[in-house]
Amino acid sequence: EAEVAQSPRYKITEKSQAVAFWCDPISGHATLYWYRQILGQGPELLVQFQDESVVDDSQLPKDRFSAERLKGVDSTLKIQPAELGDSAMYLCASSLAGGGFDYEQYFGPGTRLTVT
Amino acid sequence: GEDVEQSLFLSVREGDSSVINCTYTDSSSTYLYWYKQEPGAGLQLLTYIFSNMDMKQDQRLTVLLNKKDKHLSLRIADTQTGDSAIYFCAESITGGGNKLTFGTGTQLKVEL
Repeated sequence: EAEVAQSPRYKITEKSQAVAFWCDPISGHATLYWYRQILGQGPELLVQFQDESVVDDSQLPKDRFSAERLKGVDSTLKIQPAELGDSAMYLCASSLAGGGFDYEQYFGPGTRLTVT
Repeated sequence: GEDVEQSLFLSVREGDSSVINCTYTDSSSTYLYWYKQEPGAGLQLLTYIFSNMDMKQDQRLTVLLNKKDKHLSLRIADTQTGDSAIYFCAESITGGGNKLTFGTGTQLKVEL
C-alpha cells in the first residue's frame, strides 16, 4: 500500500541552527500539505502545494520557515533559525487533485523536532 | 473564524461504547472527519461525513451530525484496547481549498 514518506523521524537541534524536513507524497498525488502539531494540540496547516505552486501559506512564519516543491513531487520544509517554540511534530500529507472525495488526505508518520 | 473544540479525555471499559464529541463554528463546512492518532504516529482517517448527511455508519463506527447545533459525534461500539488513541475531528469548508481545521483532540483510554 502506498504511503507518504517523511525523514528524518526524529531531529534534535540547538536553537539558532537550521533544520530541514523531507516529504515524499504518494505517487500521483498533486496536492501536498505540511502541518505542525504542537504537543497536546491538533495539527495546524503551515503550507499547501498544488503541484509546485503554493496554494496557502497564510500560517507559515515566513521570517524563518520556507517550503519548496520544485518538481511538484517531493517537498522540503526548512526552519532557519530554529527557536525553542518550534519544537513540535511536523506532519506531511498528500491528496489527489480532482472532484468528489479525491481530497482525502493521507498522512505520513511525521518528524518529531526538539529544539534545545 | 474557524474553531473546533473537543473534550480532552475519555475513559471507558473494554466492550462498552465510546462517544467522542466535537463542536465547530463554521457553517460552511463541506466535510467533517474523524482521525485517529496512535502514540508517535501520523493521523489515520477513520471516517467522514458530508455536511448534508445526519448519520453515517461504518462497521463499529457511527457518526452523527447535528448541523443546527454544529455538533459532531463519533460512537465506537464494543470498544477494544486497540482503540486507545487520540481522536481528532476536523472540518473542511467550501472554497477553502481542502484545508483541514482540526480540533484539539480527545484522548480515549480503554480499560480492562
